[in-house]
Amino acid sequence: AQTVTQSQPEMSVQEAETVTLSCTYDTSESNYYLFWYKQPPSRQMILVIRQEAYKQQNATENRFSVNFQKAAKSFSLKISDSQLGDTAMYFCAFMMLTSYDKVIFGPGTSLSVIP
Amino acid sequence: NAGVMQNPRHLVRRRGQEARLRCSPMKGHSHVYWYRQLPEEGLKFMVYLQKENIIDESGMPKERFSAEFPKEGPSILRIQQVVRGDSAAYFCASSLPGQGTISGYTFGSGTRLTVV
Repeated sequence: AQTVTQSQPEMSVQEAETVTLSCTYDTSESNYYLFWYKQPPSRQMILVIRQEAYKQQNATENRFSVNFQKAAKSFSLKISDSQLGDTAMYFCAFMMLTSYDKVIFGPGTSLSVIP
Repeated sequence: NAGVMQNPRHLVRRRGQEARLRCSPMKGHSHVYWYRQLPEEGLKFMVYLQKENIIDESGMPKERFSAEFPKEGPSILRIQQVVRGDSAAYFCASSLPGQGTISGYTFGSGTRLTVV
């Protein structure tokens, strides 16, 4: 069975600084997708970034980028120039390339951006 | 184009009552997923449905929980005889067939169920 681990329950960062959130996963599959979701206090789940396992190039979305290490089964999220609006729970997620799209979520990391 | 609509946003039930949670997927989406988020935890998969079909209910508790996605109308997650441990946020997500890997899910805002 696939599992997703986030070893940092809570993190904080000064506004405008850079922070990296860790995620590791376990799977025997070779084709899959990885995601980072953000959940602000409003509770809405927002997709931040996605990565296809078959792509070696790390995904980037504006201030958000990932460090995908397939052999190590590691998928960390880097947030540059942190903003107060980045304060939220961040969930790492894994999706197999099966006949349907079932997503497995990690337990989450609570990020606080300090002014 | 409205997103995934869940209602109610908050639901309070006494122990032993029934809870009905509704989810209207995004227009054109025919795949619906229900997740449960217990306090201080991540989202746990419960069930995946297509119109009139339950595809995967491996995350559903064996008793008291059921889900449906009829041909017409919203998807319903039903919890009978609720207990305190059912208190959680229940999220619905939807996707186009085969598109979940491209854009991820579109999530609703969740229903927070409180059992008193």
